[in-house]
Amino acid sequence: EVQLVESGGGLVQPGGSLRLSCAASGFTFSSYEMNWVRQAPGKGLEWVSYISSSGSTIYYADSVKGRFTISRDNAKNSLYLQMNSLRAEDTAVYYCARDLRGDGYIGSGYWGQGTLVTVSS
Amino acid sequence: DIVMTQSPDSLAVSLGERATINCKSSQSVLYSSNNKNYLAWYQQKPGQPPKLLIYWASTRESGVPDRFSGSGSGTDFTLTISSLQAEDVAVYYCQQYYSTPLFTFGPGTKVDIK
Repeated sequence: EVQLVESGGGLVQPGGSLRLSCAASGFTFSSYEMNWVRQAPGKGLEWVSYISSSGSTIYYADSVKGRFTISRDNAKNSLYLQMNSLRAEDTAVYYCARDLRGDGYIGSGYWGQGTLVTVSS
Repeated sequence: DIVMTQSPDSLAVSLGERATINCKSSQSVLYSSNNKNYLAWYQQKPGQPPKLLIYWASTRESGVPDRFSGSGSGTDFTLTISSLQAEDVAVYYCQQYYSTPLFTFGPGTKVDIK
């Protein structure tokens, strides 16, 4: 069974940093591209960042470019999101998500339960 | 960037009746080389992560009830729930993955029971 479990969320002051983790199990993690998607309280879904299966290709949403860093450790079956210079508008539930099949993106078929990041003084 | 819009923002439908949600993309998400629309639909219930319902605009994901159907092509798409059930109360999002991995979601449509 595919499982994605996020951790690392919490309350942080504006300008602070936080590192999110996503522990993957039930599939060959190193074979899949991964994404972070966030959802502000009461709002819609926003794609944040993408990383290829090897980690060699990375993309970011303009809203987080230069502040967030995505990475992965395939030996540890883990995905990470280092978030620096946090702003109030970064407050959201952060989900890690895996594409459905792994042979070309057709939708995020697997999601974690999310971890809440609150940026407030 | 491809911008996704949805209408209506919310709708209330009687149990057993049809619910229709529209989604529009700012540019075509039909890839001419394979004639596929790079459009997915998700359902999100309160306190839960999104669930993939439909991909390629009209292909139901495994286990999704057949009362859910997707249609449309190019820039205009529709998600139809043919006979609304109580468990279908949720927010529904469309997503384009034509510009993958920089995909974008619509703003969501909330479906309630009338």
